[in-house]
Amino acid sequence: DSGVTQTPKHLITATGQRVTLRCSPRSGDLSVYWYQQSLDQGLQFLIQYYNGEERAKGNILERFSAQQFPDLHSELNLSSLELGDSALYFCASSVGLAGGTGELFFGEGSRLTVL
Amino acid sequence: AQTVTQSQPEMSVQEAETVTLSCTYDTSENNYYLFWYKQPPSRQMILVIRQEAYKQQNATENRFSVNFQKAAKSFSLKISDSQLGDTAMYFCAFRGGSNYKLTFGKGTLLTVNP
Repeated sequence: DSGVTQTPKHLITATGQRVTLRCSPRSGDLSVYWYQQSLDQGLQFLIQYYNGEERAKGNILERFSAQQFPDLHSELNLSSLELGDSALYFCASSVGLAGGTGELFFGEGSRLTVL
Repeated sequence: AQTVTQSQPEMSVQEAETVTLSCTYDTSENNYYLFWYKQPPSRQMILVIRQEAYKQQNATENRFSVNFQKAAKSFSLKISDSQLGDTAMYFCAFRGGSNYKLTFGKGTLLTVNP
């Protein structure tokens, strides 16, 4: 158990819909990262938050947005869903911005299926 | 931008034998971290081993060891005495010293056969 909690574990929805994925980082971790894993693109970095502020942005679509709340949990919002958004979405956390051992701790992922 | 390349999409090994997974990366940074993560069928991403670039000694964790060649930008993973539970997708990952995110390779699917 990494200590990172993601909900829901599975989600099935229709094209055009909007979903919210939730992540609670490990106790004490201030950084939260979102990754998308698909068969054709592999593991792609989406976005990172540190202590409530956006710190780095990767290949995140404009239809997607995220935020980190004062209690440090984070949500990833996916809207106007398309078939190609079907993927496994991981949340990871780390203690700081870039310090320590550099290790990220991953949740179990949220499997999104868009029909 | 950093890139990570895993040239072996799939590998197989017999139980109790040794296997080496390859990884190369490209960066202009001098200080960075390298990782191998394992993703079994349960899909959980599990850290196998880490290497700090400033350390010349290769990291070892029980049956797992790495061959880190900084000049060649190579970071291979050796699994000794392979076990059935080692069957998983293995990802090589890079993290810069001043960057915040991990960049992953495409992964190598390792199957350990009885």
